[in-house]
Amino acid sequence: RKEVEQDPGPFNVPEGATVAFNCTYSNSASQSFFWYRQDCRKEPKLLMSVYSSGNEDGRFTAQLNRASQYISLLIRDSKLSDSATYLCVVNMVTGGFKTIFGAGTRLFVKA
Amino acid sequence: DTAVSQTPKYLVTQMGNDKSIKCEQNLGHDTMYWYKQDSKKFLKIMFSYNNKELIINETVPNRFSPKSPDKAHLNLHINSLELGDSAVYFCASSQDLGRAEAFFGQGTRLTVV
Repeated sequence: RKEVEQDPGPFNVPEGATVAFNCTYSNSASQSFFWYRQDCRKEPKLLMSVYSSGNEDGRFTAQLNRASQYISLLIRDSKLSDSATYLCVVNMVTGGFKTIFGAGTRLFVKA
Repeated sequence: DTAVSQTPKYLVTQMGNDKSIKCEQNLGHDTMYWYKQDSKKFLKIMFSYNNKELIINETVPNRFSPKSPDKAHLNLHINSLELGDSAVYFCASSQDLGRAEAFFGQGTRLTVV
């Protein structure tokens, strides 16, 4: 089982739709969690950190479920500019520090 | 004003050559990384340095040698380049090890022919 798993997609949604991505992680020692966004042929950029109590940033909501070991990202009112790959990132300390990136979920928002 | 800058942006070279990629960050961060993103877009950490000391060395061929002359720089030297080394290499930095989010450079697209 991979340490961090995401549905690769692609998710094809119309503008204005609500879309949700999940990411599961295997190591319960995982400490911090992030969602990154990567546009085609660009570097990954932090979208938002994921806090235990859940957090929202405009149209984006992130949730963490430690019991089930998954994090989620909800995008409301999708825009064309949301089209990108969304990477789930997990930091863990298990005899040493590790940062694991998920393989990413591709989102296409269409007019 | 670029926070993490790496050069060159593109690198095309022949098999067997030796090449270097440079990275600098002006964020005052303690930790720097090298990542490799292959053709399947999977991003994997190669090395991590904290305060100029090597912290993580994932299973990377010893043809790859990072060098950190100071906290703001982490260069990557690659000897005897192979076709399979073709990928995008990203440098990144974070405030500290383990918790903080990482800031990435624009990437170096390496093509070995």
